[in-house]
Amino acid sequence: IAGITQAPTSQILAAGRRMTLRCTQDMRHNAMYWYRQDLGLGLRLIHYSNTAGTTGKGEVPDGYSVSRANTDDFPLTLASAVPSQTSVYFCASSDGVGTGYTEAFFGQGTRLTVV
Amino acid sequence: GQNIDQPTEMTATEGAIVQINCTYQTSGFNGLFWYQQHAGEAPTFLSYNVLDGLEEKGRFSSFLSRSKGYSYLLLKELQMKDSASYLCAVKDSNYQLIWGAGTKLIIKP
Repeated sequence: IAGITQAPTSQILAAGRRMTLRCTQDMRHNAMYWYRQDLGLGLRLIHYSNTAGTTGKGEVPDGYSVSRANTDDFPLTLASAVPSQTSVYFCASSDGVGTGYTEAFFGQGTRLTVV
Repeated sequence: GQNIDQPTEMTATEGAIVQINCTYQTSGFNGLFWYQQHAGEAPTFLSYNVLDGLEEKGRFSSFLSRSKGYSYLLLKELQMKDSASYLCAVKDSNYQLIWGAGTKLIIKP
């Protein structure tokens, strides 16, 4: 089934540990995004990539890094996790950059708890 | 700064009509989106408006007034499965989506 797959679906992580959240899409979309969703704050953009080989910082990039080696994969890395990074993380993709109507498709989310 | 405002929570009765409002202040405007998100699930696309007026899609309609920075999502003939959060998002001048915090809609029998 075409779409976006995230792994893991949930994780409990000790503070200070390194963690990579995986995201893969098979729709050949140019643009990919990482969001975090916290209660009462809505979706906040962490990092994005408009095309393979390029990345950009979103609203809340500190403590996170991304890479986009190819079209399909967009992993998010927490170098040294802190409790404030406890959140639900969504990966998304969309077709086309610099246009108005480009619907974003979301993965099922990763629920991360940093203790 | 950029801002999207929606009511935090609304309650409606099965079979009724509900209107969820969204006001926005963004740097530029390249369209407004509504998404539905059931608890514990990913957001899914509902509608897109870029021109003023009403877009109808089955039981759901979305309205936009760019001059007022205002949109609403209208849900008719409410069903229990419509219980979800409804997210308003605006694409800004950089074509990035700015998201509201979402409106939790509770449907009562």
